[in-house]
Amino acid sequence: DAGVIQSPRHEVTEMGQEVTLRCKPISGHNSLFWYRQTMMRGLELLIYFNNNVPIDDSGMPEDRFSAKMPNASFSTLKIQPSEPRDSAVYFCASSSPTAYNEQFFGPGTRLTVL
Amino acid sequence: SQQGEEDPQALSIQEGENATMNCSYKTSINNLQWYRQNSGRGLVHLILIRSNEREKHSGRLRVTLDTSKKSSSLLITASRAADTASYFCATVLSSGSARQLTFGSGTQLTVLP
Repeated sequence: DAGVIQSPRHEVTEMGQEVTLRCKPISGHNSLFWYRQTMMRGLELLIYFNNNVPIDDSGMPEDRFSAKMPNASFSTLKIQPSEPRDSAVYFCASSSPTAYNEQFFGPGTRLTVL
Repeated sequence: SQQGEEDPQALSIQEGENATMNCSYKTSINNLQWYRQNSGRGLVHLILIRSNEREKHSGRLRVTLDTSKKSSSLLITASRAADTASYFCATVLSSGSARQLTFGSGTQLTVLP
C-alpha cells in the first residue's frame, strides 16, 4: 500500500512568492494533520482535519498560512506571501477512524525561502 | 512551550548496548506514544502506552510510564546501527482531542558499529 504522499519533496522559492504544498493521505484514513519541523521549535502541529473538516487550526502561525481539504484524498497547505522564517520541513500525516491514535507520516517537503 | 521534553538530547552507544531515553510531560494524558525519525524521513510510530498502563513491550522496545512523575522511558535493547535515528515522545492530552499529538523535542540516538 502507498503511504502518505507529499509533493514536492523540495521547494526553493523567493520571499514574497506563493507556495503550495500537497498531500495525499492513506486511502481510508479520515484524519489529516499538517506539521512543521524546525531545529528551533521542533515539531509543531499547524492544523488538522477530520472527515475533511478543519478541527483545530490554532497552530497556524498567521494569516499567510491557509489549508484546505476539498476531498478525502487531497489536502493543500498554502503560504502567501512566503518569508524566510517559513523555511522548514512540512509534514503531512494521516490516521484511520479505527486506530486514530497512530499517525502515519509522509516523507515531508523541505521548504527554503530565500 | 512543548508538552514533552526528552533527555538526553543526544546519546551515542556501541552496537549491542542498551539505549534508554526519557520523556517528561506537563499535563494529564490519555496516552503517550514514541516515534522514530530517520534522517530526512517522516516519523514512524513505534509504540503506544495508555495512562492506565505501566509497562509495554514490543520486540526490542520496552516503554514504561509513571503518571505520578509525569514521565516515560523508552528502552531499546541490543541496539543495532540501524537504530540510529531521532526518537520523539508524543502525548495525547486527557482534556484535548483524542487525535491530537503534542511532540517532545526528541533524542538523537547514534549506534556505533
